[in-house]
Amino acid sequence: AQSVSQHNHHVILSEAASLELGCNYSYGGTVNLFWYVQYPGQHLQLLLKYFSGDPLVKGIKGFEAEFIKSKFSFNLRKPSVQWSDTAEYFCAARSTGFQKLVFGTGTRLLVSP
Amino acid sequence: DVKVTQSSRYLVKRTGEKVFLECVQDMDHENMFWYRQDPGLGLRLIYFSYDVKMKEKGDIPEGYSVSREKKERFSLILESASTNQTSMYLCAAKDRDSPLHFGNGTRLTVT
Repeated sequence: AQSVSQHNHHVILSEAASLELGCNYSYGGTVNLFWYVQYPGQHLQLLLKYFSGDPLVKGIKGFEAEFIKSKFSFNLRKPSVQWSDTAEYFCAARSTGFQKLVFGTGTRLLVSP
Repeated sequence: DVKVTQSSRYLVKRTGEKVFLECVQDMDHENMFWYRQDPGLGLRLIYFSYDVKMKEKGDIPEGYSVSREKKERFSLILESASTNQTSMYLCAAKDRDSPLHFGNGTRLTVT
């Protein structure tokens, strides 16, 4: 069955620390990958997406993610986090050409000032 | 920018009641979705619709039904609410290659 796994449920970092959130997917065929973010009290919004081409994708607010096909991974990174990055982060995937999007369980990031 | 509006932000219902959650989008998108969000479980797809009067079950459709009579409106129906349906419900809309656009969510409590 199609699934998305996020390894870290809670992450606590100090400001300026580097961030990497893991995401693995279980899909056959080609896949589209996404990271969404939900800031406290706000709706989910797209951080970045990968459809094809350069496996290193850049998103908003300094985030990037790397698609590694051999590892079925799409990890999210940011070199230096800020207090305002405190949020819940969701990885999601779908088979190319299909509309059903499957989400991971989310990672709560707390950045202490 | 796509706007997805969910009619209620908070809702409290009693066990056994029939509950309607409404969602409206303003961008003529073909696809609409209902998810529920629970701590530690992420977002789980209940139902989605790819056109008027068309619907498909998601991963957890039991206890729910949906209605899409008009393109802009997608309703989630709890036929007989139960306490295990207490959750945050998220509606989303998208076009073929666009990302999902979410509403603000409806926090439903069933007592």
